[in-house]
Amino acid sequence: DQQVKQNSPSLSVQEGRISILNCDYTNSMFDYFLWYKKYPAEGPTFLISISSIKDKNEDGRFTVFLNKSAKHLSLHIVPSQPGDSAVYFCAAGLQGAQKLVFGQGTRLTINP
Amino acid sequence: NAGVTQTPKFQVLKTGQSMTLQCAQDMNHEYMSWYRQDPGMGLRLIHYSVGAGITDQGEVPNGYNVSRSTTEDFPLRLLSAAPSQTSVYFCASSYDTSGNTIYFGEGSWLTVV
Repeated sequence: DQQVKQNSPSLSVQEGRISILNCDYTNSMFDYFLWYKKYPAEGPTFLISISSIKDKNEDGRFTVFLNKSAKHLSLHIVPSQPGDSAVYFCAAGLQGAQKLVFGQGTRLTINP
Repeated sequence: NAGVTQTPKFQVLKTGQSMTLQCAQDMNHEYMSWYRQDPGMGLRLIHYSVGAGITDQGEVPNGYNVSRSTTEDFPLRLLSAAPSQTSVYFCASSYDTSGNTIYFGEGSWLTVV
């Protein structure tokens, strides 16, 4: 039973447009959420996070939205750039705990 | 500026063999963990440690052992390799539990035949 789901295995977006990656979770106890980016043959790197007390967090071109009632979060990248092509994982956890639950990942391809 | 170092990067094992994946970090982080990544499954937590001498099980611990004798090192042992353990393994370390401070190693590709 997957507690964190990314239902789109892949997404293709034109350079300069907005990329929207989605993530759903089932455990209402999760109180913080993160997005990681992963290039081939490298480990994941932290991108942006959001606490459950917020519904939006912005960092440059990246914005994460959290809808607690729907148990849904999304990552918006605008404008999308070729260097954004990577696999994106969403993850959820409990504050103070060392356990993160990851989604399956979405491969984002930015086309020139 | 090594960060999290994993060895070996690639390994092929025969069913039943044992081996150890090494992980070392030079950031003096208390928290370390091991994940495996399988197609369509994301990253799943195998074992984690909140400090030297303290380890605990994650989501998929069966078939693996860990120990944490020093702050720097967190080896993962496969006791008797099975084809189901074919995966990419990532070691991670962090200085707190917030998740946004986790540093991952580059991964170890393991194939069990």
